[in-house]
Amino acid sequence: ILNVEQSPQSLHVQEGDSTNFTCSFPSSNFYALHWYRWETAKSPEALFVMTLNGDEKKKGRISATLNTKEGYSYLYIKGSQPEDSATYLCGYWGAGNNRKLIWGLGTSLAVNP
Amino acid sequence: KAGVTQTPRYLIKTRGQQVTLSCSPISGHRSVSWYQQTPGQGLQFLFEYFSETQRNKGNFPGRFSGRQFSNSRSEMNVSTLELGDSALYLCASSRGIGGSSYEQYFGPGTRLTVT
Repeated sequence: ILNVEQSPQSLHVQEGDSTNFTCSFPSSNFYALHWYRWETAKSPEALFVMTLNGDEKKKGRISATLNTKEGYSYLYIKGSQPEDSATYLCGYWGAGNNRKLIWGLGTSLAVNP
Repeated sequence: KAGVTQTPRYLIKTRGQQVTLSCSPISGHRSVSWYQQTPGQGLQFLFEYFSETQRNKGNFPGRFSGRQFSNSRSEMNVSTLELGDSALYLCASSRGIGGSSYEQYFGPGTRLTVT
């Protein structure tokens, strides 16, 4: 059974704080790692798709790193804003047959103004 | 460009009935994936269709089925509904095989309640 684990489960920070979350996934047969943001009452929205070990991607104040050899990815938010409040999901896509995105349970972020 | 649309948005059914959900992908996207989201289980993959062919299937009973039409629109059917089928059903489209190096675009979901 393939497991994707995210930590912490939830996080409360003050506006302006920087924060980071972790996504752990199987290090074997890696193909791609996805990060999505899911705001309440909206649809999940793609942040990053990462495929190469050592990949670093950035979109505004949000960035992500990928370590496929040890099976983890970090998502960083610099200077959190209330509009960053959402659940952040990671999805692992492995190589081989019957490939599918396996999702973690997400990290719920609340940014207090 | 119009986003992914799902119909209906809300549905209430009774146990034993069947239901059909519809998903229209973004124009030009050939892949449609379906997910079930419940509070304790998170997003669970149901199946993916690409060019009218089912590419992958998750670990759900045969009561859950789907299909994709030539215009890439997809339907999902659940027969003999059970209380545990109450969930948010999301579909997502992508240009290539979903989940590979292509990001997925999600619809707003269909909230199914089984009583």
